[in-house]
Amino acid sequence: DAKTTQPNSMESNEEEPVHLPCNHSTISGTDYIHWYRQLPSQGPEYVIHGLTSNVNNRMASLAIAEDRKSSTLILHRATLRDAAVYYCILRTTSYDKVIFGPGTSLSVIP
Amino acid sequence: DVKVTQSSRYLVKRTGEKVFLECVQDMDHENMFWYRQDPGLGLRLIYFSYDVKMKEKGDIPEGYSVSREKKERFSLILESASTNQTSMYLCASSLSPPSWLAGEKNIQYFGAGTRLSVL
Repeated sequence: DAKTTQPNSMESNEEEPVHLPCNHSTISGTDYIHWYRQLPSQGPEYVIHGLTSNVNNRMASLAIAEDRKSSTLILHRATLRDAAVYYCILRTTSYDKVIFGPGTSLSVIP
Repeated sequence: DVKVTQSSRYLVKRTGEKVFLECVQDMDHENMFWYRQDPGLGLRLIYFSYDVKMKEKGDIPEGYSVSREKKERFSLILESASTNQTSMYLCASSLSPPSWLAGEKNIQYFGAGTRLSVL
């Protein structure tokens, strides 16, 4: 399975943008990039996904490098509620198993 | 919104007890999953099911079994609980799209988790 690497932790000030990076240098042409986040004492929740083009939704934006070997999840204005562990995951077309790495623990400072 | 409900948020059991963890989803999803989450080890897949009465082993099935008698319900069973099964247990569900849409549509929806302590 293709792997992803993320920083263990990041900090952001409240109401400032946050850029969470993810490297996936062995990504295949059919892999989608998915992001989930896990709030304290909750199960993971889906945030956003994309294949080649940048994507926006109500929660976040996803910027995908032209060579697709890296991507960045962008939270436009961090709030205290955004403090969570963020997971970057590759989803293939062949198998529905989700492989979660350790993710990035985001702290938001008031 | 998709809702995945786990029957208990917290559970305390004794070594050797038989433990049932229940999970129900309300979106008619074909696929259901059980994970456990431990500090430093991330989420690990225990069992999953693609259809009623169908089950497949995940990465760490030892000491566990599952039951899926109805589409909306997936149960995890600890036949004889042991202290090393103290963990957070997470249930998830997803649609089963055609393989050419799998990357696009394979969003998993998780329950809030059950924190199980085995004493």
